Amino acid sequence: GQNIDQPTEMTATEGAIVQINCTYQTSGFNGLFWYQQHAGEAPTFLSYNVLDGLEEKGRFSSFLSRSKGYSYLLLKELQMKDSASYLCAVRDVGDYKLSFGAGTTVTVRA
Amino acid sequence: DTGVSQDPRHKITKRGQNVTFRCDPISEHNRLYWYRQTLGQGPEFLTYFQNEAQLEKSRLLSDRFSAERPKGSFSTLEIQRTEQGDSAMYLCASSSPPGQGFSYEQYFGPGTRLTVT
Repeated sequence: GQNIDQPTEMTATEGAIVQINCTYQTSGFNGLFWYQQHAGEAPTFLSYNVLDGLEEKGRFSSFLSRSKGYSYLLLKELQMKDSASYLCAVRDVGDYKLSFGAGTTVTVRA
Repeated sequence: DTGVSQDPRHKITKRGQNVTFRCDPISEHNRLYWYRQTLGQGPEFLTYFQNEAQLEKSRLLSDRFSAERPKGSFSTLEIQRTEQGDSAMYLCASSSPPGQGFSYEQYFGPGTRLTVT
């Protein structure tokens, strides 16, 4: 099975940086995904890590340490539209389904 | 560019009634997934298809739930004898086969929000 933990809520100021941590304990590992979900909408794909290290994509970066079972999503130059829930999800070896954490609600304040 | 679509977007039903939801995946995607999401939680896996074959079902999926993908294109999820605990957002996602994208990430539809009264 999968056990995925992330903080429930975070608040930050417009223009600032926020780091959302995700820890996981899994029987196998074949990739970690971050999704953004605005209230009442579908999750949208943000990033994917399968090897250790940092993946940068514009204002968003994601980091993975497989030995520590740890990932983070870094959101830079926060904008009001970044207020959303951020979901960490893990895919198991030889599997296709995703196991999601409960999500971290980020509130960006002016 | 058409993404994953789901119908209906909202469904209100009385306890004990049957409901059916439809999902149309991205056309070239051969994998289709159903998830259920309740307020304040992440999506929970229900079942998935590769083409028309249903390859895995979650233990969450009681015998009141059934899913089909008869021609390997659209899929339906039926819930029989609905219960109040079935109230949730039902999300469908699709992905391409390995080799057609490194991560073969899942693309989600807008979901069907079910309310059982």
